[in-house]
Amino acid sequence: IAGITQAPTSQILAAGRRMTLRCTQDMRHNAMYWYRQDLGLGLRLIHYSNTAGTTGKGEVPDGYSVSRANTDDFPLTLASAVPSQTSVYFCASSDSTRGENTEAFFGQGTRLTVV
Amino acid sequence: GQSLEQPSEVTAVEGAIVQINCTYQTSGFYGLSWYQQHDGGAPTFLSYNGLDGLEETGRFSSFLSRSDSYGYLLLQELQMKDSASYFCAVRTGGFKTIFGAGTRLFVKA
Repeated sequence: IAGITQAPTSQILAAGRRMTLRCTQDMRHNAMYWYRQDLGLGLRLIHYSNTAGTTGKGEVPDGYSVSRANTDDFPLTLASAVPSQTSVYFCASSDSTRGENTEAFFGQGTRLTVV
Repeated sequence: GQSLEQPSEVTAVEGAIVQINCTYQTSGFYGLSWYQQHDGGAPTFLSYNGLDGLEETGRFSSFLSRSDSYGYLLLQELQMKDSASYFCAVRTGGFKTIFGAGTRLFVKA
C-alpha cells in the first residue's frame, strides 16, 4: 500500500541523547516535510525539502536537522534531545509538480517523550 | 509574523450544519487547505481553495475570500464520525505550508 511510513511509532528518550526519526514514502513525491504537533499549537513546520539534495528551515528548526539523500527518505535528527522536544512528530509529502493544490499526505506520527 | 486564527472548539448536533472560520496573515499566499484529524490519527486532506469562491466535495464545502484573508469550512448533515479536529493551512510560497492551531468539533446526538 502506497504511503508514508514513520519509525519508531513511539520512543522515550533520555535528555542529551541523539535520536533520528525515520520517514519513507513510496509515492515518488518531490516535497517532504516534518511537523511537530503540540496541544493547542497545531502543526508547526520544522524542516522541509522540495527535492532530493535540498532542504529548508520551517517555523521551528532549532535543535533539529534533516537530510534528503534521495526522493524517498527524509530523516529528522535531534542532536541532543531536550524535554521541550517532547511532542508528536509527523512526516508528510506532497507532489508539488501537479500545481498549487499540494495535498499533503501524512505518516501516522512518532510520539517522542524526552525525560 | 505569520498567523492563522480559528476557533478552538465548536459543538453541534447530529444532522446540523457547522461552519469553521479561518483568518490568516501570512507573508505569501498560494492557497488555503483544510485537514481533518481524529484523535490519535494523522491529518487527512479535505479541501483546497486557490481562488475566491466555494468548493464543494460531498457534505464538505470550503470558501475563500483572498481580499478578506478569510476562509471557512462548512460541514453539512453532521454525523458522529465528524467529531475530530479541523485545521486550516496556508501555503505561503516555496514549499512551506503552515497550519492553524485547529478547531475541535464535538458532534452531539
